[in-house]
Amino acid sequence: EAGVAQSPRYKIIEKRQSVAFWCNPISGHATLYWYQQILGQGPKLLIQFQNNGVVDDSQLPKDRFSAERLKGVDSTLKIQPAKLEDSAVYLCASSPQGADTQYFGPGTRLTVL
Amino acid sequence: DQQVKQNSPSLSVQEGRISILNCDYTNSMFDYFLWYKKYPAEGPTFLISISSIKDKNEDGRFTVFLNKSAKHLSLHIVPSQPGDSAVYFCAARVGGSNYKLTFGKGTLLTVNP
Repeated sequence: EAGVAQSPRYKIIEKRQSVAFWCNPISGHATLYWYQQILGQGPKLLIQFQNNGVVDDSQLPKDRFSAERLKGVDSTLKIQPAKLEDSAVYLCASSPQGADTQYFGPGTRLTVL
Repeated sequence: DQQVKQNSPSLSVQEGRISILNCDYTNSMFDYFLWYKKYPAEGPTFLISISSIKDKNEDGRFTVFLNKSAKHLSLHIVPSQPGDSAVYFCAARVGGSNYKLTFGKGTLLTVNP
């Protein structure tokens, strides 16, 4: 079974630029999560999708972050414009509907200069 | 407000000995707890979990203990192996929620040969 795929693995941008990350969850997983993990911290949930609907985006900085999951499969997370404090690893996870265990992708390491 | 706390940033043990990783929580609404393991440049992988109706769950070399009155859980690894060297995250979920996980900051375990 293929795992959660994410791209790119690394990205370096200047502040005020925009960036997008892509995630393809495990086939059949209805729930998709985006996390932000700042160095030295645990993952923090940004947004959770159930199929193509948003379940929780309470911690998503909506003035600069956006995410979509068209057709309920893969998802993109965008930052526009980026700030220095957005430097982090962005993790995507998926799970079957109603399951407690989340399966994580390798993450995208973003550096904002 | 950090609801899941891992107060030891790092732990070093000898191969073959027991590793004990600790986690404290403040939210009494948490009813399910998970441990994830993370190697560098990889996403977290699920290790073991425990429901609040239990006080112990065992899976091979890994055992998780839950003390609800103390709001404390611990992960025991016996015997420890060099391949166990990784960052371990404790995570918790509020009962009846949308499976949103709250993570601790993690503990870096180093198992020395």
